[in-house]
Amino acid sequence: DTGVSQNPRHKITKRGQNVTFRCDPISEHNRLYWYRQTLGQGPEFLTYFQNEAQLEKSRLLSDRFSAERPKGSFSTLEIQRTEQGDSAMYLCASSLPGTGSPNTEAFFGQGTRLTVV
Amino acid sequence: GQQVMQIPQYQHVQEGEDFTTYCNSSTTLSNIQWYKQRPGGHPVFLIQLVKSGEVKKQKRLTFQFGEAKKNSSLHITATQTTDVGTYFCADSGSARQLTFGSGTQLTVLP
Repeated sequence: DTGVSQNPRHKITKRGQNVTFRCDPISEHNRLYWYRQTLGQGPEFLTYFQNEAQLEKSRLLSDRFSAERPKGSFSTLEIQRTEQGDSAMYLCASSLPGTGSPNTEAFFGQGTRLTVV
Repeated sequence: GQQVMQIPQYQHVQEGEDFTTYCNSSTTLSNIQWYKQRPGGHPVFLIQLVKSGEVKKQKRLTFQFGEAKKNSSLHITATQTTDVGTYFCADSGSARQLTFGSGTQLTVLP
């Protein structure tokens, strides 16, 4: 089963350090999403890629966050100068292309749990 | 912006009892998806509803989309311990993002 893969699964970092997470989507999925989830909350949208193009970015996303998907396959999410408030589960999801409505289902990875100390 | 509210936040039921979670939006939803997240796990897609008044069933799970497409519900009949987890609805009207509700955490007591 080649589902969505995320690395690392856990990351503990000191405040002020930079961290980078990787997501490998399901191979034929051209849509890739990053979400952030904190305890007791639903996933919160961060950014969206269609192939290599970053088409949507949450207005809540600080400029310390940057994401790339250089070849339209794997993606990386970097957080610079981490803060304690960045502690959360970072989820990646991918989906097949859909034409118009309805949207297609999203397949989520296991997530990367970030703890900023 | 679009907000999707879910109630209740928590629900404890005895095994065999029924369970319902409700999802409400202040604006009309194009489509709605439901996901289940087991403790320590990641969200897993359950179903998508598209049409006004639509009802879909998956074994003991019944999903409904309101006539005005502003609300949806998930009903589980005769809960089992395997139903434990958090159930999320999500506005899936945009291809570019899902807007999730805050979820209902279900605990099933044996």
